[in-house]
Amino acid sequence: DGGITQSPKYLFRKEGQNVTLSCEQNLNHDAMYWYRQDPGQGLRLIYYSQIVNDFQKGDIAEGYSVSREKKESFPLTVTSAQKNPTAFYLCASLLGRYYTFGSGTRLTVV
Amino acid sequence: LAKTTQPVSMDSYEGQEVNITCSHNNIATNDYITWYQQFPSQGPRFIIQGYKTKVTNEVASLFIPADRKSSTLSLPRVSLSDTAVYYCPLYSGAGSYQLTFGKGTKLSVIP
Repeated sequence: DGGITQSPKYLFRKEGQNVTLSCEQNLNHDAMYWYRQDPGQGLRLIYYSQIVNDFQKGDIAEGYSVSREKKESFPLTVTSAQKNPTAFYLCASLLGRYYTFGSGTRLTVV
Repeated sequence: LAKTTQPVSMDSYEGQEVNITCSHNNIATNDYITWYQQFPSQGPRFIIQGYKTKVTNEVASLFIPADRKSSTLSLPRVSLSDTAVYYCPLYSGAGSYQLTFGKGTKLSVIP
């Protein structure tokens, strides 16, 4: 089955630690996105990539970094500079006019 | 920047038809209107899209007036499993491929 796989499903981060969230797709889509969702809120765009080796900042990129070395993979690193990282993170890819989303990673700071 | 306005929440009894309206006054001329459904702790799922008039699929209908400043998602005969948050995101600007999501409408279906 084609789709987007996000891992891990749950992640715990200590203060001052960098963590990386994985996003893999086998849909052969060019464009990929990372969104953040806080409780009761909509989705806010962190980073996006329209082709390999290229990515752009979204609305809330500070404290995050990404890479796009392969078409299938778009990992997100939450750095220690992100002061409030506890949230639900969603990865998506785009084909035509609609997105396919992964099942998300819930990150908690402990 | 394109923005949408939706009711924060709606309640409905099982078996009823539910209509959720989204206002998008400054939608770009070439943009399609899309609706997504999100269950707790899951990613949003595409439901339906349209450009104008009416579109129907196996899940829902979408009504779009001629001026395209709003759209209405219609869910026929809802069941408990339709309890979710429904979004009508818009692209961030003309020619953009980045969707901007509002807070959505939380639909609660009551037995």
